[in-house]
Amino acid sequence: ETGVTQSPTHLIKTRGQQVTLRCSSQSGHNTVSWYQQALGQGPQFIFQYYREEENGRGNFPPRFSGLQFPNYSSELNVNALELDDSALYLCASSLGGFTTGELFFGEGSRLTVL
Amino acid sequence: DQQVKQNSPSLSVQEGRISILNCDYTNSMFDYFLWYKKYPAEGPTFLISISSIKDKNEDGRFTVFLNKSAKHLSLHIVPSQPGDSAVYFCAASDERAQKLVFGQGTRLTINP
Repeated sequence: ETGVTQSPTHLIKTRGQQVTLRCSSQSGHNTVSWYQQALGQGPQFIFQYYREEENGRGNFPPRFSGLQFPNYSSELNVNALELDDSALYLCASSLGGFTTGELFFGEGSRLTVL
Repeated sequence: DQQVKQNSPSLSVQEGRISILNCDYTNSMFDYFLWYKKYPAEGPTFLISISSIKDKNEDGRFTVFLNKSAKHLSLHIVPSQPGDSAVYFCAASDERAQKLVFGQGTRLTINP
């Protein structure tokens, strides 16, 4: 059974640039959620995709967008990067939409914005 | 608006003793609660959960207690082991919004 994998693990961008983060869900899982974890904070929900459609979104501006592909992998795109976007971005997968909330997380992509 | 709060950023416990991690929440609509454990350079991993219809759930050395009237839950680890040293996140399930709401985390250190 393959776990959740994310790429890249680390990246550095400058303010105003755009970034794409990628996630492969755990084998058999059709739901992917993205969370942002700032330093010293808990993860914060960005959005969730189920069967290629966004079906839940947190309090993040529209410059945070995503996609889910037919194989259930997913991308998180952030445009017009700001310094406060520096964080660990976590992808999590689950089966059958949002059930009890037992999510399987990847190790994250650490983004630094200079 | 922090709906889930873990007021202790860190906790240090001697090996073999009980570790108690606390969590408070404000939203009475939350109906399912989870604890996740996170090691450095790894993603959070699910540890234990509890439904709001229960007040206790036990899994080996880990027990979660829920006090709905106080909007408080706690995680007990007994006996504590060095491998338990990690950051522990409390989370509440908001099914309507299709998301987990996490606390800030508590860093647990188990001393030999």
